[in-house]
Amino acid sequence: KAGVTQTPRYLIKTRGQQVTLSCSPISGHRSVSWYQQTPGQGLQFLFEYFSETQRNKGNFPGRFSGRQFSNSRSEMNVSTLELGDSALYLCASSFRGETEAFFGQGTRLTVV
Amino acid sequence: AQSVTQLDSHVSVSEGTPVLLRCNYSSSYSPSLFWYVQHPNKGLQLLLKYTSAATLVKGINGFEAEFKKSETSFHLTKPSAHMSDAAEYFCVVKSEGYNNNDMRFGAGTRLTVKP
Repeated sequence: KAGVTQTPRYLIKTRGQQVTLSCSPISGHRSVSWYQQTPGQGLQFLFEYFSETQRNKGNFPGRFSGRQFSNSRSEMNVSTLELGDSALYLCASSFRGETEAFFGQGTRLTVV
Repeated sequence: AQSVTQLDSHVSVSEGTPVLLRCNYSSSYSPSLFWYVQHPNKGLQLLLKYTSAATLVKGINGFEAEFKKSETSFHLTKPSAHMSDAAEYFCVVKSEGYNNNDMRFGAGTRLTVKP
């Protein structure tokens, strides 16, 4: 059974640009959550999607958005990139959201 | 509200000696608790989970953790450290309330294993 797949693995973007990250959950999982990991702030919850609906949202500005498709794949978008957005972005999937989450390897975003 | 405190940012042990990584939690609801491990430049791997069944939970790679409600603790232990255990470990609390499924991570404990 394939695990959680995140693409791309690495990205370099310029301040002011926008970026889209992709996450394919484990087959059959309907909940997808996104996290930002930085050395200073640690792991912070961004949002969770379940059956194409955003079910929960962390404390991030509106520049961070996401969506989920009917096949449960999810995308995360960050607009008007800032240097502080440089981080490892992790996606996690679970069967319903109430069970344990399985993480992808992450997308490392560097903003220059 | 829920939160997690990992009491040590860095733990160093010698290979073959016991490992203890400490975690205290706070949760308004009956919590689910997890330990994840992250090796360099990798995602997070689930070590074990507590979901209101047995208080002593056994995980992968010889790790186990004990849920102590009176102490609000969920410490991770391993009898004998291996070099491959060197990594970052995260204690996580998760509320089971509807529409409140976000996981709260501790700051992490970096485990170093000396030969």
